[in-house]
Amino acid sequence: GESVGLHLPTLSVQEGDNSIINCAYSNSASDYFIWYKQESGKGPQFIIDIRSNMDKRQGQRVTVLLNKTVKHLSLQIAATQPGDSAVYFCAENPPNDYKLSFGAGTTVTVRA
Amino acid sequence: DAGVTQSPTHLIKTRGQQVTLRCSPKSGHDTVSWYQQALGQGPQFIFQYYEEEERQRGNFPDRFSGHQFPNYSSELNVNALLLGDSALYLCASSPTGWETQYFGPGTRLLVL
Repeated sequence: GESVGLHLPTLSVQEGDNSIINCAYSNSASDYFIWYKQESGKGPQFIIDIRSNMDKRQGQRVTVLLNKTVKHLSLQIAATQPGDSAVYFCAENPPNDYKLSFGAGTTVTVRA
Repeated sequence: DAGVTQSPTHLIKTRGQQVTLRCSPKSGHDTVSWYQQALGQGPQFIFQYYEEEERQRGNFPDRFSGHQFPNYSSELNVNALLLGDSALYLCASSPTGWETQYFGPGTRLLVL
């Protein structure tokens, strides 16, 4: 599968392979994190979330990993499909704060 | 169950004009947040409304103001439009006490 160790703005993936999208967050106090998918011309769509008391959380075809030591978040997509082509954003939320702070997005392109 | 809805979908204004954007939250949600998303960037938090009051504000000038109505719907007003205000304006809603924010499709504003 395709994977990157650092955040890259673009990721090209072969259909059927696994994808890994990385995100570095900025606030060590953040205790809630969300991954969003944004397709062209649409608003961000909730994918999966994780709290800081967890290291891993799984959804349907997606897994989020949290490494608080290095302030790193990753999203794994299993068996990537053409419909997974989109921009993916991670967002963090510190305690006692109502806003979400978004990271730089990663554009995922799925090759047939 | 309708998700977050926004109107209008697209809008063209000229510099110096004023604009009002509208948002209806997801059913059961009482908190509304507004974000600005410039092309190629992640959403930036403008402000959040809860119980008809601005609860938190991001780093945006006073030209940006808002309102929340008793039915939880919300408006974003921008005065004295600048070319740099051209962006996708996103509304997100959440239920009381939940950090997860669900986004609408956005309003694309073009300032000429």
